[in-house]
Amino acid sequence: GQNIDQPTEMTATEGAIVQINCTYQTSGFNGLFWYQQHAGEAPTFLSYNVLDGLEEKGRFSSFLSRSKGYSYLLLKELQMKDSASYLCAVRDGNYQLIWGAGTKLIIKP
Amino acid sequence: ETGVTQTPRHLVMGMTNKKSLKCEQHLGHNAMYWYKQSAKKPLELMFVYNFKEQTENNSVPSRFSPECPNSSHLFLHLHTLQPEDSALYLCASSQENGRGGNEQFFGPGTRLTVL
Repeated sequence: GQNIDQPTEMTATEGAIVQINCTYQTSGFNGLFWYQQHAGEAPTFLSYNVLDGLEEKGRFSSFLSRSKGYSYLLLKELQMKDSASYLCAVRDGNYQLIWGAGTKLIIKP
Repeated sequence: ETGVTQTPRHLVMGMTNKKSLKCEQHLGHNAMYWYKQSAKKPLELMFVYNFKEQTENNSVPSRFSPECPNSSHLFLHLHTLQPEDSALYLCASSQENGRGGNEQFFGPGTRLTVL
């Protein structure tokens, strides 16, 4: 079966750096997405990786290794507003989007 | 209005009621989606419409009935629901070109409680 694994919850300190990992096993691969979802709100798009390597967007970066079935989202200079759930999703060989259960990130002062 | 809107934002209904959820996208996209989000579970894709045609129905019970009258509007008709159907129902849209790289834009969701 197809599977996306990410930690259920992580805690980090304001101003620090945190890395949220995502591993996947899918039938084929056509890209990996990261979304942010604040409590009670809609998921919003953060990043998309289809080739190996690091994509940087301001304080957020996303990394992909297709050979390892692995991605991470790196958040730098953490702010209290970064407290949210982070969803990893993979588009498989049939272009279906497979979602992880999300990682709840708690930021402490 | 911009982006993707959903109404109502909250809905409480009994198991014998009939209600409808509405979604509208103002982005000119050609694909729309219904998802179910339960606590600590992955998003569950329910239905997909491309150019108003339903292209996916992930074994969803018949008590959920989608309707897509045009490429901007999507409805989810609900009847004789069960308490386990209580969840956040999210609508999303995207511009699909067959190459899979386009992100989905989500509405704020309808929080449904079935008593």
